Amino acid sequence: GAGVSQTPSNKVTEKGKYVELRCDPISGHTALYWYRQSLGQGPEFLIYFQGTGAADDSGLPNDRFFAVRPEGSVSTLKIQRTERGDSAVYLCASSQDLNRGTNTGELFFGEGSRLTVL
Amino acid sequence: SQQGEEDPQALSIQEGENATMNCSYKTSINNLQWYRQNSGRGLVHLILIRSNEREKHSGRLRVTLDTSKKSSSLLITASRAADTASYFCATDQAGTALIFGKGTTLSVSS
Repeated sequence: GAGVSQTPSNKVTEKGKYVELRCDPISGHTALYWYRQSLGQGPEFLIYFQGTGAADDSGLPNDRFFAVRPEGSVSTLKIQRTERGDSAVYLCASSQDLNRGTNTGELFFGEGSRLTVL
Repeated sequence: SQQGEEDPQALSIQEGENATMNCSYKTSINNLQWYRQNSGRGLVHLILIRSNEREKHSGRLRVTLDTSKKSSSLLITASRAADTASYFCATDQAGTALIFGKGTTLSVSS
């Protein structure tokens, strides 16, 4: 597809379970970002990949959150031992990052994965 | 953490009126971007203004940037019902990921 694709669009899980959220960025985009958005709030930065490596993971709230991008394309956000406070929309975005991280250009967002932890 | 703060939090206007939203930020930036989000959807990029620019136009959008005051404004002229959405400013602080504000919710009634 032409845009950023995120799956699943909706995920309902129980407290304590493990969850994986997938992001398929726009082909050729080297930079990939994960954000989390709670109701009525702006997107909160979680982690940023440049290629396969995490260039900045300072936004991950704790060690229950982990993300990978093994081949520099698709990324998976993994949440262990989910808590009710993890409920939010998880947004993925990609960009061409033409300036190699020195100047962030336009981000292209997916529609998000809505996570509900019961 | 959130760098930008939009003002007002909510704005209600009639079709045809202009809508102005403001954004203030705290640290030096490379550029500032504005995004739009329809309810339940992802964000869509509207416009990017670099730190050495003062004003930029795109269709009915006009963005200004005042780096001395660390503030930006987004003006939507001749608003339409379809402009109803949340609008976010986002700042780029030297190669880190964009940091978004809390947004302004705009409601345009016909």
